[in-house]
Amino acid sequence: AQTVTQSQPEMSVQEAETVTLSCTYDTSESNYYLFWYKQPPSRQMILVIRQEAYKQQNATENRFSVNFQKAAKSFSLKISDSQLGDTAMYFCAFYAGGTSYGKLTFGQGTILTVHP
Amino acid sequence: DAGVIQSPRHEVTEMGQEVTLRCKPISGHNSLFWYRQTMMRGLELLIYFNNNVPIDDSGMPEDRFSAKMPNASFSTLKIQPSEPRDSAVYFCASSLGRLNEQFFGPGTRLTVL
Repeated sequence: AQTVTQSQPEMSVQEAETVTLSCTYDTSESNYYLFWYKQPPSRQMILVIRQEAYKQQNATENRFSVNFQKAAKSFSLKISDSQLGDTAMYFCAFYAGGTSYGKLTFGQGTILTVHP
Repeated sequence: DAGVIQSPRHEVTEMGQEVTLRCKPISGHNSLFWYRQTMMRGLELLIYFNNNVPIDDSGMPEDRFSAKMPNASFSTLKIQPSEPRDSAVYFCASSLGRLNEQFFGPGTRLTVL
């Protein structure tokens, strides 16, 4: 079974600074995908970034980037130039390929607060 | 596209009552997922469908919970009888195929008194 662990229940950062959220996972699969989802106070779940395990290059989306360490089974999210709108709960999620039909396993989440 | 639609957005009911949550996935998506979110347990997958067929319902907590997907554009999650411990936010999500992003609905906040 796959597990996803987010060891930081809460994080805070000053506006315009950089913050890194940690995520580790455990799997025996070789083909899988990793995601970061954002859940603001509105409750809406929003995909922030995704990473395919077979790609060595770290994914980036504007101010968001990941540090994917496959051997260490680590998948951290870096938010640069933090903005007040980044305040949200962030979930790391794992999906194994094959016949899982897109089933995601989520971590427990990290609450990020961006202070002005 | 309007995105994934869930109704109702909020539901308050009394213990023992039947509750039905509804979901309309994004048109063309062939996978549908029901999640439950609580402070204690986080985000849990309850059940998911592919092409209207239930694939894995191992996350359904007990027989009081049931889910159906009679067609590609509609799914229900029913709790009968409801209990206070069922209070949570229930999300529906849909995706196109196995490798694509899941799009989440706005959720239904259920309170069982």
